[in-house]
Amino acid sequence: GAVVSQHPSRVICKSGTSVKIECRSLDFQATTMFWYRQFPKQSLMLMATSNEGSKATYEQGVEKDKFLINHASLTLSTLTVTSAHPEDSSFYICSALPRPGELFFGEGSRLTVL
Amino acid sequence: AQSVTQPDIHITVSEGASLELRCNYSYGATPYLFWYVQSPGQGLQLLLKYFSGDTLVQGIKGFEAEFKRSQSSFNLRKPSVHWSDAAEYFCAVGLSNFGNEKLTFGTGTRLTIIP
Repeated sequence: GAVVSQHPSRVICKSGTSVKIECRSLDFQATTMFWYRQFPKQSLMLMATSNEGSKATYEQGVEKDKFLINHASLTLSTLTVTSAHPEDSSFYICSALPRPGELFFGEGSRLTVL
Repeated sequence: AQSVTQPDIHITVSEGASLELRCNYSYGATPYLFWYVQSPGQGLQLLLKYFSGDTLVQGIKGFEAEFKRSQSSFNLRKPSVHWSDAAEYFCAVGLSNFGNEKLTFGTGTRLTIIP
């Protein structure tokens, strides 16, 4: 089956630093990937749609300059949390479509900002 | 805009008992409906999906769900739960736009299994 992998699974950083999270489609090409954020004991909120070779599309209320998304290849999208602060601590999950109508999710990346 | 409601935040059932998790949606057109399961600290795994056709869909791990348009519901069922089914379950509705699915998730139902 299709596999979507994220790295790192856990990251702890100091306030003010930037953190990069990678999302890879391991056995298929993904022109579109999605980034979600999940707060503790809450649902997933779509942050942005990552498009290979073009700018990401951000959902309303998501700061583009805070959450930089790059989709440089058909198998890799990255989310960079810039100048991270404790309120950015969350579980970030990416997803991709190996085929229409079937969204596969990565394992998630837990960010803790001290 | 579409929305999804999962009325039950937490459900506890005994191992071997039957299970039904409720999901109601609000969407103007024919919805694309999904159920996902999330184990602690993990990503989401697709259990099943409904796009069209037979309103009773079968998924993995013995789960099934029934789409009822008249009730705007897509409840998840399993005849006999196993301890390994303990997890968080999310219902989601997708836009009718194949190839660019943006899912709206419900708030989730946490399932606890007791021996």
